[in-house]
Amino acid sequence: NAGVTQTPKFRVLKTGQSMTLLCAQDMNHEYMYWYRQDPGMGLRLIHYSVGEGTTAKGEVPDGYNVSRLKKQNFLLGLESAAPSQTSVYFCASSYTTFDTQANYGYTFGSGTRLTVV
Amino acid sequence: AQKITQTQPGMFVQEKEAVTLDCTYDTSDPSYGLFWYKQPSSGEMIFLIYQGSYDQQNATEGRYSLNFQKARKSANLVISASQLGDSAMYFCAMRGVGGGSNYKLTFGKGTLLTVNP
Repeated sequence: NAGVTQTPKFRVLKTGQSMTLLCAQDMNHEYMYWYRQDPGMGLRLIHYSVGEGTTAKGEVPDGYNVSRLKKQNFLLGLESAAPSQTSVYFCASSYTTFDTQANYGYTFGSGTRLTVV
Repeated sequence: AQKITQTQPGMFVQEKEAVTLDCTYDTSDPSYGLFWYKQPSSGEMIFLIYQGSYDQQNATEGRYSLNFQKARKSANLVISASQLGDSAMYFCAMRGVGGGSNYKLTFGKGTLLTVNP
């Protein structure tokens, strides 16, 4: 099925370890986003990308890096994990313009639950 | 900057009754879009309804309607004839129009709805 695929779905890291979360979309969307969800905080934007090779900081970028080498993939990296990065991470993608059938086509992945101990 | 405020951390409703979830927003953009998402306990983000700032009529999708009051900057979600399956977290979100960061969705903190039998 078309959509946004996130891997892995679950991960436990030790403080100081690194990891990369992968997001892949097959809808030819230009825009991709990484959000984190914490209890009582809603979803907060970490980084986003408006096209292949371009990335920008969102609301809570510290401690994370991203790359978009291919249009369909958006990677989120944690170089040195901290307990404060324990969260559920969502990737999303969208069109650049309004579509009468799909609005802006925002599509979310199923999330990655990350625990840093 | 865009801001979404959901003032109800939790709401309870009896099955088959209607319920209104509040959302107010703040933006300096003349054109914007408002979204509601449902997040059940399984964690996925489910798109419910969209309202454009220039839409003359309130959006409706089945049992969901959006009570859009532009002058008051409110975009409340109304769920009619509540069902047990409506128990979930509900998020209000906004997107601006134009390039760059305006394409991102800004989320409220959410309202946890519980439908009682």
